[in-house]
Amino acid sequence: DAKTTQPTSMDCAEGRAANLPCNHSTISGNEYVYWYRQIHSQGPQYIIHGLKNNETNEMASLIITEDRKSSTLILPHATLRDTAVYYCIVRVYSGGGADGLTFGKGTHLIIQP
Amino acid sequence: DAGVIQSPRHEVTEMGQEVTLRCKPISGHNSLFWYRQTMMRGLELLIYFNNNVPIDDSGMPEDRFSAKMPNASFSTLKIQPSEPRDSAVYFCASTRTGKETQYFGPGTRLLVL
Repeated sequence: DAKTTQPTSMDCAEGRAANLPCNHSTISGNEYVYWYRQIHSQGPQYIIHGLKNNETNEMASLIITEDRKSSTLILPHATLRDTAVYYCIVRVYSGGGADGLTFGKGTHLIIQP
Repeated sequence: DAGVIQSPRHEVTEMGQEVTLRCKPISGHNSLFWYRQTMMRGLELLIYFNNNVPIDDSGMPEDRFSAKMPNASFSTLKIQPSEPRDSAVYFCASTRTGKETQYFGPGTRLLVL
């Protein structure tokens, strides 16, 4: 799986949009971008994933650049409960069989009141 | 719906003792994963099963660690003998083939004295 680079930490004001960047310059054509987050003392939680088109769900939006070498996770209206470590993971879609996730260090997002 | 269930939630034991961690995946899921999280190494995949069969155990640190999945609704991770460096949070996750989202349990916090 390709390597990702994320800032160690970020702050965001409550109510504002939180934009979390991720660089994955060595991504392959068949690799997806996944985002998970881990709130303190809990297990990781899936947020969103995409291949090359922008994606949106009830939690967040994922913007992938045209060359697919970077992406941004957007939490449109951050709340205090969004304080967590956010992991950007690049991996091949496993298709018929699931395989494990490779976590990096992630970005510690702190939402300020 | 019940999520991934792990037991015990906390375990304190002495070096040399056997430790057994338990996981019940989400009903209908056929892939199960064991991860370990420490401050030094972050989140690491230890082993995963597809349809109760171990697929990749390359992350298991050494022979003191073993994992079984006797049926689709139960898995164990055993450490024998335990050592202080095994102290970590152990997470179990599950998913269904063809679905890319992994669902994590709340984790077991293990402290080996």
